Amino acid sequence: GQNIDQPTEMTATEGAIVQINCTYQTSGFNGLFWYQQHAGEAPTFLSYNVLDGLEEKGRFSSFLSRSKGYSYLLLKELQMKDSASYLCAVSIQAGTALIFGKGTTLSVSS
Amino acid sequence: DAGITQSPRYKITETGRQVTLMCHQTWSHSYMFWYRQDLGHGLRLIYYSAAADITDKGEVPDGYVVSRSKTENFPLTLESATRSQTSVYFCASSGSANYGYTFGSGTRLTVV
Repeated sequence: GQNIDQPTEMTATEGAIVQINCTYQTSGFNGLFWYQQHAGEAPTFLSYNVLDGLEEKGRFSSFLSRSKGYSYLLLKELQMKDSASYLCAVSIQAGTALIFGKGTTLSVSS
Repeated sequence: DAGITQSPRYKITETGRQVTLMCHQTWSHSYMFWYRQDLGHGLRLIYYSAAADITDKGEVPDGYVVSRSKTENFPLTLESATRSQTSVYFCASSGSANYGYTFGSGTRLTVV
């Protein structure tokens, strides 16, 4: 079967940096996505990695190592509004749907 | 309105009833998806569609039926609702299975 692992919960303080890890063991790999989901709302797209390395987008960065089956989402200069669940998702084959991890709930305190 | 819309937002139904959740998108995206989200399980794929009249099963398809006669609509029907189908249902669309999905606002379904 397909397996995507993330920590269940993380806490951090405003202004800090937090790294949310995702490891995957899947039958194929065609890209990795990160989504943000605030409580009671729909997930929204954050980032996409298909090649190894770091993709930076403002305060958010995402890293991928295909050989290790590993990705992380890095959030800098944390704000209270960053309190949300962060979902790691893998595309295992072109033309098929994403498989999601269970998500990491991040709580940011002042 | 442009975008992806789901209806209803909230639904309470009784065990054994048939219920249909609607999903409509205005971008003419080829791909559409239905996921359910439950505590402890995350988002699980029910069905997806690559184009009109093409659908495929996901991880948890039992008890659900889909159709896609038009590109913009992708309704999900629970043929005979059970309590285990109490969940939040999200529809999503994408121009490609490998692009970022855009999700609808979700339908919170309670089966009593």
